[in-house]
Amino acid sequence: DAGVIQSPRHEVTEMGQEVTLRCKLISGHNSLFWYRQTMMRGLELLIYFNNNVPIDDSGMPEDRFSAKMPNASFSTLKIQPSEPRDSAVYFCASSPGLAERGELFFGEGSRLTVL
Amino acid sequence: SQQGEEDPQALSIQEGENATMNCSYKTSINNLQWYRQNSGRGLVHLILIRSNEREKHSGRLRVTLDTSKKSSSLLITASRAADTASYFCATRYDYKLSFGAGTTVTVRA
Repeated sequence: DAGVIQSPRHEVTEMGQEVTLRCKLISGHNSLFWYRQTMMRGLELLIYFNNNVPIDDSGMPEDRFSAKMPNASFSTLKIQPSEPRDSAVYFCASSPGLAERGELFFGEGSRLTVL
Repeated sequence: SQQGEEDPQALSIQEGENATMNCSYKTSINNLQWYRQNSGRGLVHLILIRSNEREKHSGRLRVTLDTSKKSSSLLITASRAADTASYFCATRYDYKLSFGAGTTVTVRA
């Protein structure tokens, strides 16, 4: 398996533009997590899906952020409109299931720069 | 918000030496995990220790867990240049995996 695949790896955009980050889960995994990493705040959990259903979105900063899982293997994180303070590395991670409470498998991240 | 605090924030050692880093946390856990992150890359899982375990080994890694003190340590023995990375502890409770701020380890050749 190729692992968790994220795109784009790098995105530079201007304030006010819409940004869409994409994530393909490992086949057979049914838990999906989006994290954001910044120097100031470290790794923060934004949202957690289980079996395509959002379970916990309490980490989503505000209404400008939205995430979807249209099918079992794919997720998007959208920021509209983007602001400079959204600049960060966004990671998605998947795991086989909730019961094991085991490790997460991370993608390589999408580095977002909002000018 | 970060669950754990890691100590030290940064560590520089000579190749062949051991590296020890510590993690403290605040709430109940199912398990504690350690991850490595190379510069510009994603996080890679290293080792998991369950709340009812006290010590675990994996290759050159040794992790301890003291739930009474809410603390863990990661020891990397016989370090190599390739071990240069940031190391994060992460506490898991139910679905939530919460990360510390990380320890940056530099191994000098």
